[in-house]
Amino acid sequence: DQQVKQNSPSLSVQEGRISILNCDYTNSMFDYFLWYKKYPAEGPTFLISISSIKDKNEDGRFTVFLNKSAKHLSLHIVPSQPGDSAVYFCAARETSGSRLTFGEGTQLTVNP
Amino acid sequence: NAGVMQNPRHLVRRRGQEARLRCSPMKGHSHVYWYRQLPEEGLKFMVYLQKENIIDESGMPKERFSAEFPKEGPSILRIQQVVRGDSAAYFCASSPLGPGVGTDTQYFGPGTRLTVL
Repeated sequence: DQQVKQNSPSLSVQEGRISILNCDYTNSMFDYFLWYKKYPAEGPTFLISISSIKDKNEDGRFTVFLNKSAKHLSLHIVPSQPGDSAVYFCAARETSGSRLTFGEGTQLTVNP
Repeated sequence: NAGVMQNPRHLVRRRGQEARLRCSPMKGHSHVYWYRQLPEEGLKFMVYLQKENIIDESGMPKERFSAEFPKEGPSILRIQQVVRGDSAAYFCASSPLGPGVGTDTQYFGPGTRLTVL
């Protein structure tokens, strides 16, 4: 039972353009969502998060949007840079829960 | 990766041997989580510990796997009698606040890549 899904295994964009990574979830008890970036042979690096009481959170080039009614969130990166090329994981957590539930990841490639 | 330390980074074991993976959380963090990533998959939760206590081990196989977080020293994930299917990347994360605090964030270590021959 995959409660967090990232339906696009890969995404390729040009440097300077916007990257949009999508994530869908099925568990209505999830109330905190996070995005992590992962380079090969390294651990996930925390990027940005959003609580279910908000619909948008912005940090520099990164913005996360949450649509609770659609159970959908997205990560926008603008402008995209070649150093952004990595696997991006969406994760979610229930109220008072300890575990993060991860999606399968999306490989982002930013071409110079 | 925000100061979470894991060692060894790479571990090779033969079938039937024991694997011990260590994790030192970030300074000031008392909540430790272990996750496993199989090839081509996302991370899967295994166990959540606080000092000297296992809080949630619902994601950890009942046999051969155990975890501890002693009062002194790192957290240890132990896999006894390893099999080829245990080959994976094992990540440790720590957080400062723990469950119940809405914005608590987990920070990950670099992982231990276990290869079972």
